[in-house]
Amino acid sequence: KQEVTQIPAALSVPEGENLVLNCSFTDSAIYNLQWFRQDPGKGLTSLLLIQSSQREQTSGRLNASLDKSSGRSTLYIAASQPGDSATYLCAVSLSGYSTLTFGKGTMLLVSP
Amino acid sequence: KAGVTQTPRYLIKTRGQQVTLSCSPISGHRSVSWYQQTPGQGLQFLFEYFSETQRNKGNFPGRFSGRQFSNSRSEMNVSTLELGDSALYLCASSLVGEHQETQYFGPGTRLLVL
Repeated sequence: KQEVTQIPAALSVPEGENLVLNCSFTDSAIYNLQWFRQDPGKGLTSLLLIQSSQREQTSGRLNASLDKSSGRSTLYIAASQPGDSATYLCAVSLSGYSTLTFGKGTMLLVSP
Repeated sequence: KAGVTQTPRYLIKTRGQQVTLSCSPISGHRSVSWYQQTPGQGLQFLFEYFSETQRNKGNFPGRFSGRQFSNSRSEMNVSTLELGDSALYLCASSLVGEHQETQYFGPGTRLLVL
């Protein structure tokens, strides 16, 4: 059974810091890995999607990497801002379809 | 383009009752997935519908069911509610539900079972 783990569970940083969020998965036979953001009491917003054949994806201040063989992904956030405060979730797709297995998330707080 | 909408946004029910939640996908999207989010278990996959057919199902009891209509709108039903069914229920839509597609999530329906 695929398990997705995110470390740390919570992170508090001052504004302007660069930070790294980690995601690991037990079964390397994934089709893709996605990073989402969730604001309190809200739905999820897709940030980056990395196909299994790719090593990284970038969007603005966000960069996500994928190492399938070691079962790891990292989300790098450059020059963090208070508006980045949210819970960040990673999820993997194990089939050709869209079904996702999620980690429990990293709660990020960026202080002004 | 309108996003994924879910109704109602909040619900309070008592044990033993049943509940129906609705999800309208983004226009043109034919795949709808449902997830349950709780503090203890996190996000767990319930089921996915494509072209009015359930294509995938998660590990939930038969009290949880769903359906999809010809306009791709989907409903999920929970019968004989239990306290542990209190959760945020999220639906997500994509074009045809293939792994390379971005999933677009709705705001969720928060269900409280008393």
